[in-house]
Amino acid sequence: GAGVSQSPSNKVTEKGKDVELRCDPISGHTALYWYRQSLGQGLEFLIYFQGNSAPDKSGLPSDRFSAERTGGSVSTLTIQRTQQEDSAVYLCASSPGQMRGYTFGSGTRLTVV
Amino acid sequence: AQSVAQPEDQVNVAEGNPLTVKCTYSVSGNPYLFWYVQYPNRGLQFLLKYITGDNLVKGSYGFEAEFNKSQTSFHLKKPSALVSDSALYFCAGGYNKLIFGAGTRLAVHP
Repeated sequence: GAGVSQSPSNKVTEKGKDVELRCDPISGHTALYWYRQSLGQGLEFLIYFQGNSAPDKSGLPSDRFSAERTGGSVSTLTIQRTQQEDSAVYLCASSPGQMRGYTFGSGTRLTVV
Repeated sequence: AQSVAQPEDQVNVAEGNPLTVKCTYSVSGNPYLFWYVQYPNRGLQFLLKYITGDNLVKGSYGFEAEFNKSQTSFHLKKPSALVSDSALYFCAGGYNKLIFGAGTRLAVHP
């Protein structure tokens, strides 16, 4: 596609529910990244994929968070048993190769009530 | 641990004046360094990057940044600020993944 697409753009969920966030990277981009941006804060790294493998998942805050990427394309970030502190904007970015600059999606705003 | 610091939460400047947004990094070796801008209700947009070579990097919208290895800095600059430059600016650096600073809000007043 022309850009990085994320869905849904907004998600309100009840505490304790599971949520799935989707990222469609730019076609042909081998690297895919997930970040989290809390209100008024910087970007917190979560995980990155090179192809379908995740060489660095060091930023995942807890075992409630997981992510996968299939076919070297679409990625899903799953948060189980959501907590209020999970409320944030989740940003996905893709890149044609390591350190060639990211293109960001518009993000998914997650609100846990 | 790698880190990127933006010491100013906010920078205020009058339109037409030069602006500087500061960034320092703590990354071993020669990291890749980037600046991104985030306008309200919009995604992050790439401004410029330093990989290697000339220490002065020119980017989008008239912005430039100077890489200073001895001071481990990568400050963003523009000779003449516009009101439309008002936004949130992020410095980032790293190798396999980018570490972002906390962001600096730039406010340009008419």
